[in-house]
Amino acid sequence: DAGITQSPRHKVTETGTPVTLRCHQTENHRYMYWYRQDPGHGLRLIHYSYGVKDTDKGEVSDGYSVSRSKTEDFLLTLESATSSQTSVYFCAISESMPGRHQPQHFGDGTRLSIL
Amino acid sequence: AQTVTQSQPEMSVQEAETVTLSCTYDTSESDYYLFWYKQPPSRQMILVIRQEAYKQQNATENRFSVNFQKAAKSFSLKISDSQLGDAAMYFCAYISGGYQKVTFGTGTKLQVIP
Repeated sequence: DAGITQSPRHKVTETGTPVTLRCHQTENHRYMYWYRQDPGHGLRLIHYSYGVKDTDKGEVSDGYSVSRSKTEDFLLTLESATSSQTSVYFCAISESMPGRHQPQHFGDGTRLSIL
Repeated sequence: AQTVTQSQPEMSVQEAETVTLSCTYDTSESDYYLFWYKQPPSRQMILVIRQEAYKQQNATENRFSVNFQKAAKSFSLKISDSQLGDAAMYFCAYISGGYQKVTFGTGTKLQVIP
């Protein structure tokens, strides 16, 4: 299994508080991703990173920011959490190779509840 | 933007029987990749099978195979000899050749009946 660790695994917090989720990988993969999973929507991309300090927005990036200061760590921050951000969050990694796109490997997810 | 559609929210199959999960996608690109992921109740996302768009031969992984119809933009998953452990959510996913962003379908929940 790909070495991906998400922390925390579960979190309950209140509306308006800041929240940071961490994704740590031991595979030295270039690409890292944050998704949210909600019933009826599948997985939707929030942000992704294609290298240290290189990030880009996904389809549901509003209200979220990310940072990647080291290859192995990708942080997702909710500056002021809202109830609509209650979800399961997945981190994924992949390593592109010239002419051959690799599949993504996923962490075990973080269940975030915002009351 | 690419879209991926899984029109079957839920499916059921008798143990040892065969079931096919459908997936269609919309794209104007010619270079892309398609994947099926499985998500059991444990919530892990597990890669089941992948298909490169430039390959005409359908991918096969043990009891799992795909029917890839490029002109119809269809990518269905066939599970043969279904087992209880196959019960899960199945997601179809698309990735364009030049990028690493992935678009997922909304999933099909598969129930396996003993």
